Amino acid sequence: AQSVTQLDSHVSVSEGTPVLLRCNYSSSYSPSLFWYVQHPNKGLQLLLKYTSAATLVKGINGFEAEFKKSETSFHLTKPSAHMSDAAEYFCVVSDANTGGFKTIFGAGTRLFVKA
Amino acid sequence: DAGVIQSPRHEVTEMGQEVTLRCKPISGHNSLFWYRQTMMRGLELLIYFNNNVPIDDSGMPEDRFSAKMPNASFSTLKIQPSEPRDSAVYFCASSRQGFGGNQPQHFGDGTRLSIL
Repeated sequence: AQSVTQLDSHVSVSEGTPVLLRCNYSSSYSPSLFWYVQHPNKGLQLLLKYTSAATLVKGINGFEAEFKKSETSFHLTKPSAHMSDAAEYFCVVSDANTGGFKTIFGAGTRLFVKA
Repeated sequence: DAGVIQSPRHEVTEMGQEVTLRCKPISGHNSLFWYRQTMMRGLELLIYFNNNVPIDDSGMPEDRFSAKMPNASFSTLKIQPSEPRDSAVYFCASSRQGFGGNQPQHFGDGTRLSIL
């Protein structure tokens, strides 16, 4: 069965410092993994996706994530936080199951960026 | 390219009234999803369509909710009668969904629904 766990509900960093948002998943098959960002009063926007190619995935706005199968993790990182990065971030796992596919969203991690 | 378009952006109505939310997916996308987001429950998948056919509606809360997709460019989510607990932000998303679900979903900006 699929599941996704975002290990922190809130993360607070200072502007210019690194960002780490943690995500662990479980999947019976070969999953596709995504990170989305949601700014206030907006829909979710795709940051990056992993679909069994390179394990280090680069996304928009300087974010990247590394797929580690042995650790079943897909943590999101950014070297230097910007005030505009303050938002909610969702880790998502998707894979095939009987009769189709299933997509599971994590509960979200709210990122605060202090000046 | 135009993204997913939802209307209205905001809806305030009294309990018992019928509410209809509308969605235009991205052209060429063959999967469409309706979600509901609240502080208490987070993001919940209500229903999804593939090639205009409802595939999984197990997330639809109860019979008061119904969704249709009469063609590839339009979908509606209807609540009748509405109740205060239906207050939430409703999102529509679409994707080019291949087998295994490796295509990202593209979200609209949502409809903020308030039932008084």
